[in-house]
Amino acid sequence: DAKTTQPTSMDCAEGRAANLPCNHSTISGNEYVYWYRQIHSQGPQYIIHGLKNNETNEMASLIITEDRKSSTLILPHATLRDTAVYYCIPTISGSARQLTFGSGTQLTVLP
Amino acid sequence: EAGVVQSPRYKIIEKKQPVAFWCNPISGHNTLYWYLQNLGQGPELLIRYENEEAVDDSQLPKDRFSAERLKGVDSTLKIQPAELGDSAVYLCASSPRGAGTGELFFGEGSRLTVL
Repeated sequence: DAKTTQPTSMDCAEGRAANLPCNHSTISGNEYVYWYRQIHSQGPQYIIHGLKNNETNEMASLIITEDRKSSTLILPHATLRDTAVYYCIPTISGSARQLTFGSGTQLTVLP
Repeated sequence: EAGVVQSPRYKIIEKKQPVAFWCNPISGHNTLYWYLQNLGQGPELLIRYENEEAVDDSQLPKDRFSAERLKGVDSTLKIQPAELGDSAVYLCASSPRGAGTGELFFGEGSRLTVL
């Protein structure tokens, strides 16, 4: 599995966009980039995933660089409920059976 | 649709005592996972089941940990005897057959404190 580098923590003002970066320079061609988040005292929750194209769903947008060595998760209008640890996880072939969590980024949304 | 259900949510025991955690996955999900999460760290896979078969248990400390998934539905994770270092959150997750989105659905976890 590719190694990832994420900031330990970030703050974001409520209502503003939260941009969470992830470096995965050793990602292989068949590895997707998955993003999960974990709100305090809850289990992790799937957000979004992508291979090479940018993706958007009701929760977030995922921007993957053309060389696939990094990606950014965007929460367009952060709310207090988005305060959580966000994990960037490269994993193979669209199947998340090989999820390996790192330490993630603690995002704190400030009122 | 009900999510992944785990029990108990909290458990406090003394060291050397046994403890068991139960997980009921989402109906129809054939893959079940047990993860361990230490404070301030991301979850780590302990064991993965495909139906009733344990297909990846390489990270399960087999001297004191055991798991079963009889009939390929709910599962139990047991620790006997518990040690101080086993204090952590034990997470269960499930996923449906086939690749799909590859999404894992997690329960809320069972927090173990060993005194």
